[in-house]
Amino acid sequence: KQEVTQIPAALSVPEGENLVLNCSFTDSAIYNLQWFRQDPGKGLTSLLLIQSSQREQTSGRLNASLDKSSGRSTLYIAASQPGDSATYLCAVSSNAGGTSYGKLTFGQGTILTVHP
Amino acid sequence: DAGITQSPRHKVTETGTPVTLRCHQTENHRYMYWYRQDPGHGLRLIHYSYGVKDTDKGEVSDGYSVSRSKTEDFLLTLESATSSQTSVYFCAISDPDRDYTGELFFGEGSRLTVL
Repeated sequence: KQEVTQIPAALSVPEGENLVLNCSFTDSAIYNLQWFRQDPGKGLTSLLLIQSSQREQTSGRLNASLDKSSGRSTLYIAASQPGDSATYLCAVSSNAGGTSYGKLTFGQGTILTVHP
Repeated sequence: DAGITQSPRHKVTETGTPVTLRCHQTENHRYMYWYRQDPGHGLRLIHYSYGVKDTDKGEVSDGYSVSRSKTEDFLLTLESATSSQTSVYFCAISDPDRDYTGELFFGEGSRLTVL
């Protein structure tokens, strides 16, 4: 059974810092890995998706890497801003084929606070 | 934003009553999913659908049923609600036929409280 762990559980940093969020998974047979952002009381917003054949994806100040063999992904946020404060969730889709698309296993999330 | 609407957004009900949550999408995506989010457990898959009338169970399907009679609507029913089903329920959609990445898009959630 796939298990996803996110470290740290919470992180508080001053504005302007570069930071790294970590995600690890136990089964390397994945189809893709997604990073989401969740604001309090809101839904999930997809930030980056990395296919199993890819090593990294970038969007603006965000960069996500994937090392499938070691079961790890990192989300790098450059020059953090107070507006980046949210919960960041990592989720993997296992490579079960057939109709199994979208059966994500989520980590518990990292609560990020960026203070001015 | 993906065109996903969940209703109701908030509901308080009593133990033993039936509850139906609705997810409506305007994206014509083939796959639809229901997840629940609980402190300490994160998000877990309840049921999903890979086409009209085609559904399957997820990790935590006990006590829930689903129906999909149209591409745009996916209903989640709690036949007899229990306090353990107090949660935030999220609908998600994807369409690997059009987007090979399999990216999921989520709705805003429905907060259900069972007293």
